[in-house]
Amino acid sequence: AQTVTQSQPEMSVQEAETVTLSCTYDTSESDYYLFWYKQPPSRQMILVIRQEAYKQQNATENRFSVNFQKAAKSFSLKISDSQLGDAAMYFCAYRSARGGSQGNLIFGKGTKLSVKP
Amino acid sequence: NAGVMQNPRHLVRRRGQEARLRCSPMKGHSHVYWYRQLPEEGLKFMVYLQKENIIDESGMPKERFSAEFPKEGPSILRIQQVVRGDSAAYFCASSPPGQGWIYNEQFFGPGTRLTVL
Repeated sequence: AQTVTQSQPEMSVQEAETVTLSCTYDTSESDYYLFWYKQPPSRQMILVIRQEAYKQQNATENRFSVNFQKAAKSFSLKISDSQLGDAAMYFCAYRSARGGSQGNLIFGKGTKLSVKP
Repeated sequence: NAGVMQNPRHLVRRRGQEARLRCSPMKGHSHVYWYRQLPEEGLKFMVYLQKENIIDESGMPKERFSAEFPKEGPSILRIQQVVRGDSAAYFCASSPPGQGWIYNEQFFGPGTRLTVL
């Protein structure tokens, strides 16, 4: 079974600085998708960024980028120029590309990010 | 296009009562997922449904929990004879039919926070 591990329960960053959140996963599959979700205090789950495992190029969305290391099964999130609105829980998630009954997301336990003004 | 809607947002039940949580997927989406988030935890998959079919219920407790997604109307997650351990946030997500990225992205509702007294 696949597992997702986020080893940093809490992180803190100064406004305008850069922070990296770690995520590792375990799978025997070669084709899958990886996601980072943000959950602010409102608890709404917001997709931040996604990565297809067969793509070597790291995904980027504005101030958010990932460092995807397939061999190491590592998928870290870098937030540049941190803003107060980035403060939230961040969840790393895995999804099999097999489809069918494998459609669900597998989440890590999350990292709580605080942004200091 | 309205997002995924869940109601109620907050639900309080006494032990032994029934809880019914509703999820209306985004327009055109025929795949629905239910997840449960316990305090200080990530989301855990419960069940995956398509219209009138349960595709994967491997994350659903064997007793007291059931889910449906009828041809017409919202998806319902039903918890009979609730216990204190059922207190959690329950999230619904939907995705459209088909292949490609849009199929693999799940759009989340705001969640229902269930409190069992």
